[in-house]
Amino acid sequence: DTAVSQTPKYLVTQMGNDKSIKCEQNLGHDTMYWYKQDSKKFLKIMFSYNNKELIINETVPNRFSPKSPDKAHLNLHINSLELGDSAVYFCASRSRLAPLHFGNGTRLTVT
Amino acid sequence: QQQVKQSPQSLIVQKGGISIINCAYENTAFDYFPWYQQFPGKGPALLIAIRPDVSEKKEGRFTISFNKSAKQFSLHIMDSQPGDSATYFCAALAVSGSARQLTFGSGTQLTVLP
Repeated sequence: DTAVSQTPKYLVTQMGNDKSIKCEQNLGHDTMYWYKQDSKKFLKIMFSYNNKELIINETVPNRFSPKSPDKAHLNLHINSLELGDSAVYFCASRSRLAPLHFGNGTRLTVT
Repeated sequence: QQQVKQSPQSLIVQKGGISIINCAYENTAFDYFPWYQQFPGKGPALLIAIRPDVSEKKEGRFTISFNKSAKQFSLHIMDSQPGDSATYFCAALAVSGSARQLTFGSGTQLTVLP
């Protein structure tokens, strides 16, 4: 049973396209996140979201938008994809008393 | 601005040796310091964590040493094994506004030679 699951695992697309990555957690956590890991393995937080509040990293372009249909899901929509968006995107979740759990990532390649 | 500085960037250790990874932080509001282990193709997974009220925490072959006054903490892997080869991230957690956000170090690629 995967605690935090992301789809797709791989995503190859052309510049200018719009794409989405889905994330679901079955841990009952109240906060979910999106992280971006670049080619040098650096992990950078993009968004954190719970039922009450969306926190956006100010450096994230507004082409990126999180959408949460319910507490267990946080999807990532990306508009007008650029070459520099190529990276591995990780969804994660936690609750107040639980550590951060990551999904296995979505490798996005923009050509 | 990198709030958690990690070194070295890469580390090669012989099987049975000790692997040491160091981290330093600036923000005194940090109150939880986890280490994450990431294997290729996988997400980071929590390995061990410490709070600043203790100076050391040990779990099996993994030990965190914490120096609050120096604002430094380190991960020691005793009797390193080839299966320990992975990327290791230190991190720090603090309340930021109404959300708690984890700040990661830049990662250390550990290779344990057989």
